[in-house]
Amino acid sequence: QKEVEQDPGPLSVPEGAIVSLNCTYSNSAFQYFMWYRQYSRKGPELLMYTYSSGNKEDGRFTAQVDKSSKYISLFIRDSQPSDSATYLCAMSANTGTASKLTFGTGTRLQVTL
Amino acid sequence: EAQVTQNPRYLITVTGKKLTVTCSQNMNHEYMSWYRQDPGLGLRQIYYSMNVEVTDKGDVPEGYKVSRKEKRNFPLILESPSPNQTSLYFCASGQGTYEQYFGPGTRLTVT
Repeated sequence: QKEVEQDPGPLSVPEGAIVSLNCTYSNSAFQYFMWYRQYSRKGPELLMYTYSSGNKEDGRFTAQVDKSSKYISLFIRDSQPSDSATYLCAMSANTGTASKLTFGTGTRLQVTL
Repeated sequence: EAQVTQNPRYLITVTGKKLTVTCSQNMNHEYMSWYRQDPGLGLRQIYYSMNVEVTDKGDVPEGYKVSRKEKRNFPLILESPSPNQTSLYFCASGQGTYEQYFGPGTRLTVT
């Protein structure tokens, strides 16, 4: 079993829809949770990170962490065609420099006009 | 401009021929890391470095070597490449694991 599971998609939604992207994990030591966006032929770029449980909002993006269920989500409101990309969740046990980072396999999102 | 650079961007080589992929960052970051990205497997960490002369294994270190002699540089070395190392490689840097800046990627083909 992988430490981090993520539905690969593809997920296709119309412009303006609310998108929900999710990851589950098995390692209870994970405390830091990140979401990256990767456009085709580019390196991933950080969208958001959260510590422990709770919500964090940044513009149209909201990240949620439920440590009791080992489940994290990224919500995108008012989705735009420019949001079409692969979204990767990532997790680590601590944010210090002495820590591994584990990624999900990514969910491909397509926002259509 | 703050950035992570990798060279070469594309490389085709033959089995057993030693190669080095360079990575450099200009943000004075302590943490640097190498990943490989494969379809269906996602991004997997190969090695990471916490600071000069300090490195540790990620999830898939077999067949790779790294060194961190200067803070800004973190080269990835394949002493004897094999076809199963054909992949897309990314270098990244950051102050910690919580915020990684990725390079543009190196597409490696080993025949």
